[in-house]
Amino acid sequence: EPEVTQTPSHQVTQMGQEVILRCVPISNHLYFYWYRQILGQKVEFLVSFYNNEISEKSEIFDDQFSVERPDGSNFTLKIRSTKLEDSAMYFCASRVGTSEETQYFGPGTRLLVL
Amino acid sequence: GEDVEQSLFLSVREGDSSVINCTYTDSSSTYLYWYKQEPGAGLQLLTYIFSNMDMKQDQRLTVLLNKKDKHLSLRIADTQTGDSAIYFCAETPDYGQNFVFGPGTRLSVLP
Repeated sequence: EPEVTQTPSHQVTQMGQEVILRCVPISNHLYFYWYRQILGQKVEFLVSFYNNEISEKSEIFDDQFSVERPDGSNFTLKIRSTKLEDSAMYFCASRVGTSEETQYFGPGTRLLVL
Repeated sequence: GEDVEQSLFLSVREGDSSVINCTYTDSSSTYLYWYKQEPGAGLQLLTYIFSNMDMKQDQRLTVLLNKKDKHLSLRIADTQTGDSAIYFCAETPDYGQNFVFGPGTRLSVLP
């Protein structure tokens, strides 16, 4: 069964460094999403992406964040200058685009900012 | 803004039924979902229900939706130790829009 994959599974970085989290959505899906879950807290929406542009973003998704679909398969989330409070599990999700389908989530990347 | 609430903890004995409850505020919620998260793992879609349905059954899982009270529940029949996990309720007003998640209910299944 096709699934969303994410790399790396874990990343440790120093505060102020740039990180890129990678996702490979399910191949025929058209809508892509990033969510994050700070330890012990709710899963929070960050951004949605369709047709090579951001369709919606939350107030968490400030200028430090960017997303890109550099080729036909990858969907990336870049954090330009990481802060301690960026430490969280980051989930990518994708959706086909029909009304019957839901979002399928990847396994997540656990980011730790020191 | 939209809000989704759940009780945070539930303990049941193996073999009993579990009922996890969720309330939401957005009256335009179109789809409501249940996701399961095992320790250290991602979000696994369990089931979802469209807002024009009252009930959906899928093997051991039964979802009940009371749209008037904005109340969603997930019943797991014959709960097993492998069902121990955090269960998230989520809603979206439209299939194209982002999900709003509840805080998750940690289900512990006791032998």
